[in-house]
Amino acid sequence: AQTIHQWPVAEIKAVGSPLSLGCTIKGKSSPNLYWYWQATGGTLQQLFYSITVGQVESVVQLNLSASRPKDDQFILSTEKLLLSHSGFYLCAWSHSYNYAEQFFGPGTRLTVL
Amino acid sequence: GDSVTQTEGLVTLTEGLPVMLNCTYQTAYSTFLFWYVQHLNEAPKLLLKSSTDNKRTEHQGFHATLHKSSSSFHLQKSSAQLSDSALYYCALSEDYAQGLTFGLGTRVSVFP
Repeated sequence: AQTIHQWPVAEIKAVGSPLSLGCTIKGKSSPNLYWYWQATGGTLQQLFYSITVGQVESVVQLNLSASRPKDDQFILSTEKLLLSHSGFYLCAWSHSYNYAEQFFGPGTRLTVL
Repeated sequence: GDSVTQTEGLVTLTEGLPVMLNCTYQTAYSTFLFWYVQHLNEAPKLLLKSSTDNKRTEHQGFHATLHKSSSSFHLQKSSAQLSDSALYYCALSEDYAQGLTFGLGTRVSVFP
């Protein structure tokens, strides 16, 4: 069975500090991977997606970047956090065929002060 | 481009009453629709999915029927429970690489 992990579970960071969030999928080779952001009480906003190692597409620019250094790993980062980066970050994966449903990880709660 | 519209931002109701959440969509491609549910501080989970026109899909007491003629995929439950309080998202499958297009979500609050 496939499992998806995100780290850290929660993070409190200062404005202007760097950030790195991680996501790992086990039990599935060559998944499609996604990053979402959700403001507190807000809707899901897709940030990035990746269909293969080393290839990442941006959906929304929020002064964040993403990388896929390994087939099973997806990293979200920024060098300078903004207050507006606070929220819930969700990683998701799907099979690499059309109309595949997405499976979400447990998420990382980020608070920027 | 593809889009999903959920007309209700918030639905409040009393336990035991029926609930219906609206979802309409626009797409130029083949249609695959999903409903996800997200409880507080948890990740979204798949509730229902369908690509078959006029076929009722059921799971965990919820049901939905995809109507391509009206581009709708409304979610219904005959008797709401307190545990149904959550955020519900309707989603449409788009270009397979980018994945799903989500609606803005409908928050459901069920009271005793």
